[in-house]
Amino acid sequence: DAGVTQSPTHLIKTRGQQVTLRCSPKSGHDTVSWYQQALGQGPQFIFQYYEEEERQRGNFPDRFSGHQFPNYSSELNVNALLLGDSALYLCASSFGSGGAGTDTQYFGPGTRLTVL
Amino acid sequence: AQSVSQHNHHVILSEAASLELGCNYSYGGTVNLFWYVQYPGQHLQLLLKYFSGDPLVKGIKGFEAEFIKSKFSFNLRKPSVQWSDTAEYFCGAGGGNKLTFGTGTQLKVEL
Repeated sequence: DAGVTQSPTHLIKTRGQQVTLRCSPKSGHDTVSWYQQALGQGPQFIFQYYEEEERQRGNFPDRFSGHQFPNYSSELNVNALLLGDSALYLCASSFGSGGAGTDTQYFGPGTRLTVL
Repeated sequence: AQSVSQHNHHVILSEAASLELGCNYSYGGTVNLFWYVQYPGQHLQLLLKYFSGDPLVKGIKGFEAEFIKSKFSFNLRKPSVQWSDTAEYFCGAGGGNKLTFGTGTQLKVEL
């Protein structure tokens, strides 16, 4: 049973570029949440997707957008990259409509984004 | 606004010592509380969670946490740590669709 997978593992971009990160949830899970973890900080909630819709959003600008596909996989898109977007981006999946603040989440290994 | 504070950023203990990691939260409304752990080279995983009922929650690997509503705290404890408990520990508070994490506590257990 595959856990949560994320791609790519590492990514280097320059300021102003756009990036797409991908996540496949754990088998049987239908909810995907995205987090940004800066160095020395805890994960910060970006948003959550359930039934292909954004259900909750953290304090992140509109440059951060996402999508969930019918197979429950998800993408995180970041436009107009800033140096401050450099971080580890974590995807977490769960099952059910309870949400990130209720259900047990299973985390992926993350994508390390470096913005130069 | 929701916030979670973990006051101990780095903790070093000898094997068999007792552990208590502090966590305080600020949250409007009913709150669910979590401790997640990240062992070296592994993904974040759930250690234990509190939703309601008995304020003393038992988790995996001998960990427990106590919810004290009057103190807005959810401290993590273990009576006797092992070298394999070396990891980073994150406290989280949430409700509904959002989870807020603290900054984490790096625990190192020395032989």
